[in-house]
Amino acid sequence: EAGVAQSPRYKIIEKRQSVAFWCNPISGHATLYWYQQILGQGPKLLIQFQNNGVVDDSQLPKDRFSAERLKGVDSTLKIQPAKLEDSAVYLCASSYMGGVTGELFFGEGSRLTVL
Amino acid sequence: KNEVEQSPQNLTAQEGEFITINCSYSVGISALHWLQQHPGGGIVSLFMLSSGKKKHGRLIATINIQEKHSSLHITASHPRDSAVYICAVSASYDKVIFGPGTSLSVIP
Repeated sequence: EAGVAQSPRYKIIEKRQSVAFWCNPISGHATLYWYQQILGQGPKLLIQFQNNGVVDDSQLPKDRFSAERLKGVDSTLKIQPAKLEDSAVYLCASSYMGGVTGELFFGEGSRLTVL
Repeated sequence: KNEVEQSPQNLTAQEGEFITINCSYSVGISALHWLQQHPGGGIVSLFMLSSGKKKHGRLIATINIQEKHSSLHITASHPRDSAVYICAVSASYDKVIFGPGTSLSVIP
């Protein structure tokens, strides 16, 4: 079974530039999560999708971050414009029926460095 | 007070030692997850449990729903067990709440 795929693995940009991350969850997984993990800290939820609907985006900085999950499969997370404090690893996770009944599967993450 | 807490925050052990990491939570949950993250690596799910005990190799996870407490045990620890261990709970509306993590270092 293929795991959660993310790309790119690494990205370095200047502040005020834009960046996009892509995630392809495990086939059949209805729930998709994007997390931000700053070095030395635990993951922080940015957005949670159930199929192609948003369940929770309360911690997504909507002035600069956006995410979509067209057709309820893969998802993109965009940052525009980036700030220095956005330097982090962006983790995508998926679950069959959400965390309620489903095991969490994580991608390798996309490491962003903003200079 | 954080909804999910872990102890200890950092742990150093000698190879072969028995290790216990504790997790306590204050919200109603439907499941608890133990996750492992190696330095610079992704996160791997070790266990998902809602009651009782699970065992996989040298790892054992237990949960006491009444006391809102879970433990992760590692028997015969090995340097390759060095990682951050994260307790996370599935709360209402599929929300997943993460603990702060326990950084484990096993010395040969």
